This record gives sequence, C-alpha cells and structure tokens, in this order.
Amino acid sequence: QKEVEQDPGPLSVPEGAIVSLNCTYSNSAFQYFMWYRQYSRKGPELLMYTYSSGNKEDGRFTAQVDKSSKYISLFIRDSQPSDSATYLCANTDRGSTLGRLYFGRGTQLTVWP
Amino acid sequence: EADIYQTPRYLVIGTGKKITLECSQTMGHDKMYWYQQDPGMELHLIHYSYGVNSTEKGDLSSESTVSRIRTEHFPLTLESARPSHTSQYLCASSDLLAGDGPGELFFGEGSRLTVL
Repeated sequence: QKEVEQDPGPLSVPEGAIVSLNCTYSNSAFQYFMWYRQYSRKGPELLMYTYSSGNKEDGRFTAQVDKSSKYISLFIRDSQPSDSATYLCANTDRGSTLGRLYFGRGTQLTVWP
Repeated sequence: EADIYQTPRYLVIGTGKKITLECSQTMGHDKMYWYQQDPGMELHLIHYSYGVNSTEKGDLSSESTVSRIRTEHFPLTLESARPSHTSQYLCASSDLLAGDGPGELFFGEGSRLTVL
C-alpha cells in the first residue's frame, strides 16, 4: 500500500473556478502535511503546510486535513491561469528530522482563460 | 527564489557511459537529497545527506552513488548508464520550518537524463 495516494488528473477548469485537490494517506504517524506546486520543467516549491488536523488559509489557497479519515485537501479559490501546474501532496511524521517526505503522484491542473 | 542549481538540465547519453549530475546550493543547508521523478509517478528519495561526509541510500534502490565533500555540493554519479536510468533527477536541500517541523525542501530545476 502506498503511503500517499493522489489522483493524477488531469484536471481542467475555467478561470475563476474553485478547485479541490485531494490526497489520502495510510500512515497514522503523519503529522505534517504539505502541498508543493511544480510548474512545467521546474522543481517543486512549497506552497503551504499544516500541522495535525484543521484548516490553514493563505490568500486564495486553503489546506485542510482530516486525520480521522486520513484525507488531505487543497482548495484554490478564484483560480487563475497562473495556477496551472502540478500539485503534489507530501506528508511526514513528527520524528522525521531527516526531512524525508512521502509524496503523492501529483495532480496536473490547467486553468484556462 | 531558491539558490540551488543543477547541471546539466538535459543529458542524452549512450549505454555504458559514466555520468555525473551536479548539484550545488548556496544556502548553507546541511541536509541535501536526490529524488527521482518519472512522469505521473511519485517522487522517490534515492539518496540523502545530513552533512559533509554523511550519505545514505533512500527508499528507492538506485545504482547511482553520491558524495558530500563540501556542504554546498552533492553530486550524483552513475558509473555505467543504462536505458532503465532514464528519468528526471531532482536535487533538494532543506531548511527548518517554524517550530520542530521536518523542514521545507528547496528543489533545483532537475536534470533530465535519457540513456539510449
């Protein structure tokens, strides 16, 4: 069983739409939940992260974690063509001072004008 | 913008050749990583380093080797490239998140290797 499951899409939405990206995970020890964004031909970059359960908002982006169902979501409001990228969820446990992350496959998002 | 650089960005090479993928960072990070990324697949950790003279294999078995002689430099070497090594290789270094989190990974732009 994979540590992190993520639907690769692709997902195509019109500009202004609300986008929902999701992951599930299997390891109950995971406490840090991150979303990385990867533009074409670039390396991933950290978009936002949450610790334990709950919501975190940053501008148009909201990250949500439900540890009871091991379900992670990223919502993008008022999506823009510049949001077109692959979004990777990544998780790790509290004890991972190494910084080792378990990544999902990424969801490819296209926002068309 | 992250100060981590990978060269070459693209490499096409014949079977049996020795190749070295270079990775350098100017942020002074102790932790560095190599990930392998294939289209539509997860990033897999193949090597990591806590600091100078410290290297370990990651979760995904790899025939490549790494070295860490200087803090800023973490090259990856394949002694004899094969078509199965065709992939994108991403180098990263990490800093601490606020609190005692696992650290934010800063990635290079990747080295796309094709072995014919």
